[in-house]
This record gives sequence, C-alpha cells and structure tokens, in this order.
Amino acid sequence: ELKVEQNPLFLSMQEGKNYTIYCNYSTTSDRLYWYRQDPGKSLESLFVLLSNGAVKQEGRLMASLDTKARLSTLHITAAVHDLSATYFCAVVPTGTASKLTFGTGTRLQVTL
Amino acid sequence: SQTIHQWPATLVQPVGSPLSLECTVEGTSNPNLYWYRQAAGRGLQLLFYSVGIGQISSEVPQNLSASRPQDRQFILSSKKLLLSDSGFYLCAWSVDEASGNPKETQYFGPGTRLLVL
Repeated sequence: ELKVEQNPLFLSMQEGKNYTIYCNYSTTSDRLYWYRQDPGKSLESLFVLLSNGAVKQEGRLMASLDTKARLSTLHITAAVHDLSATYFCAVVPTGTASKLTFGTGTRLQVTL
Repeated sequence: SQTIHQWPATLVQPVGSPLSLECTVEGTSNPNLYWYRQAAGRGLQLLFYSVGIGQISSEVPQNLSASRPQDRQFILSSKKLLLSDSGFYLCAWSVDEASGNPKETQYFGPGTRLLVL
C-alpha cells in the first residue's frame, strides 16, 4: 500500500523566515504534485514535478523532486502571511494511470 | 478554458436519506473524472475515478456509488447515508491520456460540504 507522509503536520513561522516541508512516499513514482488548500476551499495546483531532479519555482515557493530518495520538498523563502494555508503533496505510483494518493497535509501558519 | 462545477455547495441530510452530488466539466472532451472525500482536518481519499462514459472504478468499499451518464458529468450517490459519510466532497478532472499529456495535474472543483445528522 502506498504511503505518502508529510512533515511537519503543522508549521507556525514568522514572516520573513525560511522553511521546508518534506514529502516522503513509499513506492516508485514518476509524478508528484503539490497543492494548496485555503480553509473551507478547494485545492489549487501549485507544481507538477515529472522527473528526478526537477525543480520548479513560483514566487516564494520552490519544489523539488528526488525520485531515488522518494522525497519531495517544498521550500518557503521569506514567508508572508498570504502563504498561510494547508499544503498537500500527491503521488501517482508508476503504472497506475492518474490516481493520486495524497499526503497528510501540512498546515502552515505565518505570523506577523 | 476549462471549468468544473459542483452542486450543491452545502448539504445537510438526515441519516438514512439518499444522496446525489453532481459534477460537470466544461471546455474539454473525454476527461478523466474523480471523486474524493476529505474528512474534517484530514487529507483527501480517492473514492471513484472514471475514464469514460459508464466506466467507473471504485477505490474503497463504502456506502457510496458513482455514475457517469454523459462525457462531462459525474454523479456521486448513496441510497442511505451514514454519519460517517459527512465530509467535503471534491470532484476533479484531468486530461485523457489518449488525447493529451497524461501527466498534467488534476483540477479540482469547488467542492460540496456534506453534513449527515
């Protein structure tokens, strides 16, 4: 059974600080996605990572993928309050079409 | 551009009552369609997915069923709701692997919040 684990589950950080969210998964995969969810809202796609060593950046967020280590990271640079949300990674195991298995989520709270 | 709709947005239903949630996608053909459930404060669990009309795959045994009567319509149903069916139900679509890049992300609808009392 595929397991996708994120840590930390909850992160409180001050504006201006840097931090990294980790996503570990237990089986081979060639696709990993990051989503953002605001309270009470749906999911917004942030990044699609399709190969080993892939790195993507959008604003203060940067995601990377290491398929050999089965690890993805979401790095936050100089956090601002608007980044407060829950972040999910999701994995598609190799050979399973497009069925996503989601991580547990990391709730990020950026304080002033 | 493509859009995905879900209704109703919120629903309060008594235990034992039936359920029908609807999802429609505009602006694309033959999408893959998905139903997910998110329990309060938890991650998302894939319930059903469909690669075409009448083709439904169930991921977990449960009190729910899904149907796809039209190419861009996906329906989630139950004959008798349980308390444990409460949650946030999200429909999603992705590009059909035969007609486009299968590695694109899944796009999520606005969701239906269901409370079973």
